[in-house]
Amino acid sequence: DGGITQSPKYLFRKEGQNVTLSCEQNLNHDAMYWYRQDPGQGLRLIYYSQIVNDFQKGDIAEGYSVSREKKESFPLTVTSAQKNPTAFYLCASSIRRVGNQPQHFGDGTRLSIL
Amino acid sequence: AQTVTQSQPEMSVQEAETVTLSCTYDTSESDYYLFWYKQPPSRQMILVIRQEAYKQQNATENRFSVNFQKAAKSFSLKISDSQLGDAAMYFCAYRPPSGNDMRFGAGTRLTVKP
Repeated sequence: DGGITQSPKYLFRKEGQNVTLSCEQNLNHDAMYWYRQDPGQGLRLIYYSQIVNDFQKGDIAEGYSVSREKKESFPLTVTSAQKNPTAFYLCASSIRRVGNQPQHFGDGTRLSIL
Repeated sequence: AQTVTQSQPEMSVQEAETVTLSCTYDTSESDYYLFWYKQPPSRQMILVIRQEAYKQQNATENRFSVNFQKAAKSFSLKISDSQLGDAAMYFCAYRPPSGNDMRFGAGTRLTVKP
């Protein structure tokens, strides 16, 4: 079955440490997205990518970085510059530039600070 | 920038009854796409229903239907014959015609009482 796999499910970060969240999809989607979800808030866009080797900042990109070297993969690195990284992170994918197609989501990664 | 507002942080409904969740949005576009997603306690994002702005007919999916009022920029979700499994966070989302990204509301937490 096609889908989006996020790993790990739970992740802990020490002060000053960079951590990377994995997102892999086998839906053959061109577009991929990273969202952050905080309690009582909706999803906020961190980064998105429409094609391989290209990505754009979303609303809250500071302290995060991404890469898109393969169509199937869109890893998110939470850097030490992100001072409040504790949140639930969701990865999504969709068909590129077709607005009526929904985004498909992974099961998320919960990141906490040690 | 487009914004999506869900004015009801929490709603409750008796099992088998009907409930309506509100959503308004702000856009200068004439063509766009609207979605309702459900997020149960498992945190997985599940598409409930979608609506294309150029379609006058309201979308329906089994017990779920929308009331799309384009002039008022309103997109409410009606859940009929509510079931215990409908208990979840519900997010309204807007997608521009370019399909580049998606804007989410803050969510409405729905409780279903047996």
